Amino acid sequence: DQQVKQNSPSLSVQEGRISILNCDYTNSMFDYFLWYKKYPAEGPTFLISISSIKDKNEDGRFTVFLNKSAKHLSLHIVPSQPGDSAVYFCAASRAEYGNKLVFGAGTILRVKS
Amino acid sequence: DAMVIQNPRYQVTQFGKPVTLSCSQTLNHNVMYWYQQKSSQAPKLLFHYYDKDFNNEADTPDNFQSRRPNTSFCFLDIRSPGLGDAAMYLCATSRASGAQETQYFGPGTRLLVL
Repeated sequence: DQQVKQNSPSLSVQEGRISILNCDYTNSMFDYFLWYKKYPAEGPTFLISISSIKDKNEDGRFTVFLNKSAKHLSLHIVPSQPGDSAVYFCAASRAEYGNKLVFGAGTILRVKS
Repeated sequence: DAMVIQNPRYQVTQFGKPVTLSCSQTLNHNVMYWYQQKSSQAPKLLFHYYDKDFNNEADTPDNFQSRRPNTSFCFLDIRSPGLGDAAMYLCATSRASGAQETQYFGPGTRLLVL
């Protein structure tokens, strides 16, 4: 039972354009959401997060949007750069369960120059 | 640089032969996690330690055990590896166990079972 789903295994975007990565979840009890980025041969690194009390969080070129009614979040990267090419994982947690993350399967982003 | 280190990066074992994967950290974090990631799937939490307190996920097979002899080190023991245990094993740490604590990941150990 996959509680966090990333339905697009891969995405290809031209440098300078917007990248939009999507994530859906089924458990309405999740209250904290994160995006991790992973380069080959490295571990995932934290990118950006959002609490369920917000609908948007921005950090430089990265913005995460949360639509609780649709159980959907998205990561926007503007403008996309070749160095953004990586695997992006969406993850979710419930405060009452501490820091136990439920991950999606990841989306491979390729930014073409 | 403070980091999470996993050795070895690649491990080959035989069906049924016990294997141990290791993780060390220089971050002095209280919490250490082990995740299993099979090909094209999501990383799945196996268990975690808060200091010396061990927390097993309900669906983690009994074949998987863990030890944390001190703050810096944590081991994943697979008592009798099966072909289905071939995966990437990721270790992570966090300063505390609150929901908004960032987890820091090692590069992973890829386990191959022959």
